[in-house]
Amino acid sequence: DADVTQTPRNRITKTGKRIMLECSQTKGHDRMYWYRQDPGLGLRLIYYSFDVKDINKGEISDGYSVSRQAQAKFSLSLESAIPNQTALYFCATSDPDRWEQYFGPGTRLTVT
Amino acid sequence: GDSVTQMEGPVTLSEEAFLTINCTYTATGYPSLFWYVQYPGEGLQLLLKATKADDKGSNKGFEATYRKETTSFHLEKGSVQVSDSAVYFCALIYSGGSNYKLTFGKGTLLTVNP
Repeated sequence: DADVTQTPRNRITKTGKRIMLECSQTKGHDRMYWYRQDPGLGLRLIYYSFDVKDINKGEISDGYSVSRQAQAKFSLSLESAIPNQTALYFCATSDPDRWEQYFGPGTRLTVT
Repeated sequence: GDSVTQMEGPVTLSEEAFLTINCTYTATGYPSLFWYVQYPGEGLQLLLKATKADDKGSNKGFEATYRKETTSFHLEKGSVQVSDSAVYFCALIYSGGSNYKLTFGKGTLLTVNP
């Protein structure tokens, strides 16, 4: 089984809809992250969490919110989706003593 | 702020060709450097890393050496295979203060033809 899972893997939604992307991990890591990937722009950090009670904004948090429901679960919400939020979204985890991040398979979101 | 610049793609090679993907960085402290690989339809996977100057990271035939004097971490492989076709990302983590934020380059698409 994959260490970091994301649901859904693909989603098409309409402008103005609320949508939630979910991430679960079995690595036992405290740190979790949400990134978005756009062609030619690499990955950009949306939010990150060092533990259940710690949530921080990343580079591009406007239009997004997150919830850390448990050590293993970190959800990303788009309160009112807009077309320029069409992208590939990745969740990642890391151990604070090691700097590698472990990525989920991604969610491809299309906002029409 | 910290930044990573990597060569723009796409890069197209024939099987068994030599690969170099250039990566340079700007950082205020002493970063750790990484190469991540993204195979089609998958998330990113750590390919190799180096945590201090002159370290060489290696994995699956790929190598990269942390060159502090040139602020570079170029990825090389002597003989690529079709299965190496993927997007490659250079990244750094600043090792001082909050060591959480991976800064990525924009990625380089590699296609290897048989």
